[in-house]
Amino acid sequence: AQSVTQLGSHVSVSEGALVLLRCNYSSSVPPYLFWYVQYPNQGLQLLLKYTTGATLVKGINGFEAEFKKSETSFHLTKPSAHMSDAAEYFCAVSDRTGGSYIPTFGRGTSLIVHP
Amino acid sequence: GAVVSQHPSWVICKSGTSVKIECRSLDFQATTMFWYRQFPKQSLMLMATSNEGSKATYEQGVEKDKFLINHASLTLSTLTVTSAHPEDSSFYICSAREKGENYGYTFGSGTRLTVV
Repeated sequence: AQSVTQLGSHVSVSEGALVLLRCNYSSSVPPYLFWYVQYPNQGLQLLLKYTTGATLVKGINGFEAEFKKSETSFHLTKPSAHMSDAAEYFCAVSDRTGGSYIPTFGRGTSLIVHP
Repeated sequence: GAVVSQHPSWVICKSGTSVKIECRSLDFQATTMFWYRQFPKQSLMLMATSNEGSKATYEQGVEKDKFLINHASLTLSTLTVTSAHPEDSSFYICSAREKGENYGYTFGSGTRLTVV
């Protein structure tokens, strides 16, 4: 069974600083990989996804993530944090074998942005 | 892009009553919809998978008689919390997968249920 680990339940950065949210997965076959953002009392919005092809994926709001098979990682980065980036971020994986494709979510990382 | 509408966004109900939550795919056909429950500061817990025209598949530990799911059309799935109790208070989120898509999931905006 696949699993997702998000290191750090909270990440705090200053406005303008680099954002790095970590995600590692365990799966025998590289899965589909996703990052979602959730604002308070709202659903999830897809930031970006990796399915195949280029391992560096660019998403919305200036975020990007790089799939590293050797490290089984899919860390999310943004060069310069903005106050509006403060939210909950979820990494998710979806098994590309077996046919169900239902995503498994990490526990989430709360991004705090200080002025 | 694909849009999923979830209604209501919040609801308060009395213990013992039932509450229905709707999830609609507005601009695509969703053969499969998913219902999640989210506790404060926690991740999403998959409750059930709903396929159009067939019975929902519930995850282990989820009471199917408590959480009734109906997926009557390719654009609508409903979750009914029956005989609600305060412990059912939570944030419920639906997700829809477009027909033919393996990994394109679109989420609704969620429903905050409070049972008093």
